[in-house]
Amino acid sequence: AQKVTQAQTEISVVEKEDVTLDCVYETRDTTYYLFWYKQPPSGELVFLIRRNSFDEQNEISGRYSWNFQKSTSSFNFTITASQVVDSAVYFCALSEVSGGYQKVTFGTGTKLQVIP
Amino acid sequence: EAGVTQSPTHLIKTRGQQATLRCSPISGHTSVYWYQQALGLGLQFLLWYDEGEERNRGNFPPRFSGRQFPNYSSELNVNALELEDSALYLCASSLRGQGNIEQYFGPGTRLTVT
Repeated sequence: AQKVTQAQTEISVVEKEDVTLDCVYETRDTTYYLFWYKQPPSGELVFLIRRNSFDEQNEISGRYSWNFQKSTSSFNFTITASQVVDSAVYFCALSEVSGGYQKVTFGTGTKLQVIP
Repeated sequence: EAGVTQSPTHLIKTRGQQATLRCSPISGHTSVYWYQQALGLGLQFLLWYDEGEERNRGNFPPRFSGRQFPNYSSELNVNALELEDSALYLCASSLRGQGNIEQYFGPGTRLTVT
């Protein structure tokens, strides 16, 4: 069964601190895709990154970095030197294709509050 | 380029009524997805349409249904509304892919059932 767990419901950090958002997934497929989305208070989810199951290279984009480890089924997201604008709910998602049908499962999200 | 649009922004209905929510995808996107975001439950997958056909549905009762029109816009219909249907309904669109395509989300429709 496909499952995404974001164990951290809410995190509060002081501005400029680093913060890591955890994502653990379960899947039986060997080919799958992982995503992170950001949902600011305005409500509209914004795509941040996609990673396929064959590419375990970590990625850095500005203050954002992602650590994908198949051995632990984790795809964690780190924000360095957090800013107030980073305050949002962050969702991790797992996408699989089974029998030609795409199935996307989202985690329950982690609400990040960055305090000035 | 216009993003995904949804209407209405807010919808208030009484238990037992029907609700119709609308979504227009990004130009060129053929896939439309519907999600329910209830408080504390994250995003629950409802329906996936592509090229006018329903391709997959989540674990929701049949009173949740929809369709996709030839211009790829979509409607979500919820019949016999129940109080627990109160939630934010998000629509997303994407290019046709094999699970590897990111989705672009609309601002959502806030449905309140009283």
